[in-house]
Amino acid sequence: DTAVSQTPKYLVTQMGNDKSIKCEQNLGHDTMYWYKQDSKKFLKIMFSYNNKELIINETVPNRFSPKSPDKAHLNLHINSLELGDSAVYFCASSQDYEGQPQHFGDGTRLSIL
Amino acid sequence: DQQVKQNSPSLSVQEGRISILNCDYTNSMFDYFLWYKKYPAEGPTFLISISSIKDKNEDGRFTVFLNKSAKHLSLHIVPSQPGDSAVYFCAAIKPGAGSYQLTFGKGTKLSVIP
Repeated sequence: DTAVSQTPKYLVTQMGNDKSIKCEQNLGHDTMYWYKQDSKKFLKIMFSYNNKELIINETVPNRFSPKSPDKAHLNLHINSLELGDSAVYFCASSQDYEGQPQHFGDGTRLSIL
Repeated sequence: DQQVKQNSPSLSVQEGRISILNCDYTNSMFDYFLWYKKYPAEGPTFLISISSIKDKNEDGRFTVFLNKSAKHLSLHIVPSQPGDSAVYFCAAIKPGAGSYQLTFGKGTKLSVIP
């Protein structure tokens, strides 16, 4: 049983398009996250979200928006895709208290042509 | 501004020997530290963590040591096995209001040679 699943695994699209990546967790966790791993392999937080609060990393362009239809899902919408958006995007989830490890999905590799 | 640094991009170790992966941090507000292991085309997998009030945590072959005064932690793997070959990420948590976001280092690629 996959704990954190992301779809699609690969996404190839043209500059200027709008796309979404879906994430679902079946762990009953309260908090979900999106991370971006760039070409230098740095994993950086983009958003964290629970039913109380959305926290956005200030470096994330407002073309990126998380959408959570319920506690088990946190989707990532990206508008007007740019070449620099090419990266691997990881979804994660955790219990909402200190020190709890985050569980990651296998990533979505986004390539912008 | 890298708040978590892994200065060795790669490490090679013979099977059966000890692997020591190092991590330094700059932000004294971090109060939990975690190690993740990552295979290609997969997401990071949690290995072990340590609270800033401790100096050692052990789980089977994995031990994490924390030296708060030096702002340094290390992961020891004993004995190393070929299946341990992966990229290891050090991560830290700086608690904020309702969020426990991870700050990652750039990773160290461990190769265990049979």
